Amino acid sequence: AQSVTQLGSHVSVSEGALVLLRCNYSSSVPPYLFWYVQYPNQGLQLLLKYTTGATLVKGINGFEAEFKKSETSFHLTKPSAHMSDAAEYFCAVSEPTNFGNEKLTFGTGTRLTIIP
Amino acid sequence: DTGVSQDPRHKITKRGQNVTFRCDPISEHNRLYWYRQTLGQGPEFLTYFQNEAQLEKSRLLSDRFSAERPKGSFSTLEIQRTEQGDSAMYLCASSLVGGVEQYFGPGTRLTVT
Repeated sequence: AQSVTQLGSHVSVSEGALVLLRCNYSSSVPPYLFWYVQYPNQGLQLLLKYTTGATLVKGINGFEAEFKKSETSFHLTKPSAHMSDAAEYFCAVSEPTNFGNEKLTFGTGTRLTIIP
Repeated sequence: DTGVSQDPRHKITKRGQNVTFRCDPISEHNRLYWYRQTLGQGPEFLTYFQNEAQLEKSRLLSDRFSAERPKGSFSTLEIQRTEQGDSAMYLCASSLVGGVEQYFGPGTRLTVT
């Protein structure tokens, strides 16, 4: 069974400061890993994903994440926070199959607040 | 590509009533997923289809819930005899078989009074 733990349900950073959102996962096989962002009353938008290959992945809006197998982590970072980054962020894991991706297992989310 | 659409966006119903939600996936996507998101939580998987076949159902999907995708295009999720605990955001997503990314719709927010 897969699981995701997001440390910190609320994170506040000043505009221009580093954003670090933490995600640890559990999976019985090498997983696919994802970060999604959700703005109020909207669906989820994919920020970035890791499948195989390079462990540092870059996504939209200046975000990136690094897959660390030894630490079972996939933390999300952005060098300089912008007011528009304020949202809920979800880390998710899935187990790859011969038919691609199947169900996603999500963490409980981290609400990011940007302080002007 | 108009994205995944869901209808209605909001639904308020009284306890005991039946409700039905619709999801229209991205047109060429043959996989369709339903998730439920309660306040302050991440989405939880409910069920998914490949074309018209329902391939997996979560234990969260009680007997009061039924999902269909009769022609392998749009899908419906019905909840019978709604309970207050059914209040949540119901999210639909679609993907291609063999694809990695799931594309989410805007969700249907259900409030049971």
